[in-house]
Amino acid sequence: AQSVTQPDIHITVSEGASLELRCNYSYGATPYLFWYVQSPGQGLQLLLKYFSGDTLVQGIKGFEAEFKRSQSSFNLRKPSVHWSDAAEYFCAVAEEGSSNTGKLIFGQGTTLQVKP
Amino acid sequence: ETGVTQTPRHLVMGMTNKKSLKCEQHLGHNAMYWYKQSAKKPLELMFVYNFKEQTENNSVPSRFSPECPNSSHLFLHLHTLQPEDSALYLCASSPGLINTGELFFGEGSRLTVL
Repeated sequence: AQSVTQPDIHITVSEGASLELRCNYSYGATPYLFWYVQSPGQGLQLLLKYFSGDTLVQGIKGFEAEFKRSQSSFNLRKPSVHWSDAAEYFCAVAEEGSSNTGKLIFGQGTTLQVKP
Repeated sequence: ETGVTQTPRHLVMGMTNKKSLKCEQHLGHNAMYWYKQSAKKPLELMFVYNFKEQTENNSVPSRFSPECPNSSHLFLHLHTLQPEDSALYLCASSPGLINTGELFFGEGSRLTVL
């Protein structure tokens, strides 16, 4: 069965430091991959997505992610973290055949804390 | 203003109550979703509607009953819930089904079942 794993439940970084959030997936074909962010008391917002083509994708708020098929990974990165980036981050993959089901499979999420 | 509005934002109900959650999207989308977000668990897809027709019921207990009268409105009717149903219920919409783009989420309805 398809799955998404975010190995880090909680990460703390200092403001201005670089950030990498890990995501691994299991999927037979070329996946559609997403990163979402959820600020406290808010719904989820899409940061970026990968469907095909260039394996390094740029998103909003200065985030980027790299698709590595050999490692089944889609890690999220940001060169310099801002205090407003403190939130929960979710990696997701569209279920195979999801054009008929609309189903996204989410990871458990990584909570990012930013120290001043 | 997210384009997807959920009401109520908070709801407390007893196990014998009947209540409903409402979701409205102002984005002209055709697909709408209900997700359940419980603490320390991945988001769980509950239902998907596309052009008002249900395309996915992810083995959800019958005490949750969705209704989609048109492409802009989605309801989740709740009846005889259990304490373990306490969670954040998120509504989302998309232009079409998922592989055409992103999901737009509402802020959620926080449900507590006593």
